[in-house]
Amino acid sequence: DTAVSQTPKYLVTQMGNDKSIKCEQNLGHDTMYWYKQDSKKFLKIMFSYNNKELIINETVPNRFSPKSPDKAHLNLHINSLELGDSAVYFCASRTGGVSPLHFGNGTRLTVT
Amino acid sequence: GDSVTQMEGPVTLSEEAFLTINCTYTATGYPSLFWYVQYPGEGLQLLLKATKADDKGSNKGFEATYRKETTSFHLEKGSVQVSDSAVYFCALSEPPDSWGKLQFGAGTQVVVTP
Repeated sequence: DTAVSQTPKYLVTQMGNDKSIKCEQNLGHDTMYWYKQDSKKFLKIMFSYNNKELIINETVPNRFSPKSPDKAHLNLHINSLELGDSAVYFCASRTGGVSPLHFGNGTRLTVT
Repeated sequence: GDSVTQMEGPVTLSEEAFLTINCTYTATGYPSLFWYVQYPGEGLQLLLKATKADDKGSNKGFEATYRKETTSFHLEKGSVQVSDSAVYFCALSEPPDSWGKLQFGAGTQVVVTP
């Protein structure tokens, strides 16, 4: 059983398009996250939701909009895609207290 | 702000060799420290953690000790296997941000050859 699943696994699209990445976790966790990994493998947090409430919003262009319809899902919508948005986007989740992050397998976004 | 610095890779070594990956950090408070591992095509998995000075985290033969005096959390394994080939990330988190908002190092790729 996949604990944190993301779709799609690969996404190739042209500049200017709008796309969404979906994430679902079946671990019963309260908090979900989006991280971005660039071409040099550097990881940086983008957003976090706790029980559908936005709790972390790093310095991310407002073309990126997360949406959490319920605590098991956290989607990422990106408007007007740019070349620099090409990266691997990881969804993650955790429960409260001192529990570690559980990551999905990532979505590789390529903008041409 | 907080930051994590790891040795650059790739680190290439033979099976059964000793592995060390250096990690140092800067933080304003008392962070928790982590090592995550990323196998090809997969997400990151927690390898080990330490929450206070002198704690030693260990898992799957890997160890790291939280050294406050040197602000370090070096990862070691005494005898690596081909299956240990992966990218290893050192990370920290500081209260009150909890363990979800992690500051990652740049990652160190490890290649183990038979």
